[in-house]
Amino acid sequence: GQNIDQPTEMTATEGAIVQINCTYQTSGFNGLFWYQQHAGEAPTFLSYNVLDGLEEKGRFSSFLSRSKGYSYLLLKELQMKDSASYLCAVRNTGGFKTIFGAGTRLFVKA
Amino acid sequence: NAGVTQTPKFRVLKTGQSMTLLCAQDMNHEYMYWYRQDPGMGLRLIHYSVGEGTTAKGEVPDGYNVSRLKKQNFLLGLESAAPSQTSVYFCASTHRVGGETQYFGPGTRLLVL
Repeated sequence: GQNIDQPTEMTATEGAIVQINCTYQTSGFNGLFWYQQHAGEAPTFLSYNVLDGLEEKGRFSSFLSRSKGYSYLLLKELQMKDSASYLCAVRNTGGFKTIFGAGTRLFVKA
Repeated sequence: NAGVTQTPKFRVLKTGQSMTLLCAQDMNHEYMYWYRQDPGMGLRLIHYSVGEGTTAKGEVPDGYNVSRLKKQNFLLGLESAAPSQTSVYFCASTHRVGGETQYFGPGTRLLVL
């Protein structure tokens, strides 16, 4: 079967670092995405991993281990505007479909 | 460049009524998708299309129909709305396979009474 697990909620302090984990089981793998979604808005793209390792983009980094079915999103120097849901998504072989996790709601407090 | 647009933004229906949600993209993307998003359940794929004139079922297709008569438009139809179809509907599009992300429309909030 196909399944993506990520924590429901996390809280962190402004200026700190937070790591959001994602584990997945899919019938085929063709890339892992992280999206940010503010309340009442559409998801927006943050990062893409298809090979093992770390991808860094400004304050955001994403890591992938395909053998472990594991990824994390690392957010540094947290800002209040980072309060949002973060969606982990896996694209399956063939590239037609992407399966989304339920999302992790991140609350950034002052 | 408008990206992905959705019409309408919000709609209230009575049980049994029908409606069509319109998605349009101006990025010349081949693939288009319809998702629904419910609290605690993430985005679930309803139907998708890999090109003009082609459609396929996703995870939760029952109660919905789709059409892709033009490359830039993807229509989602509800023939007889049910309260279980109360949700936020997102359309998305992307280029053919590669590292391309999906680009999402702003969403349509549907309430079925």
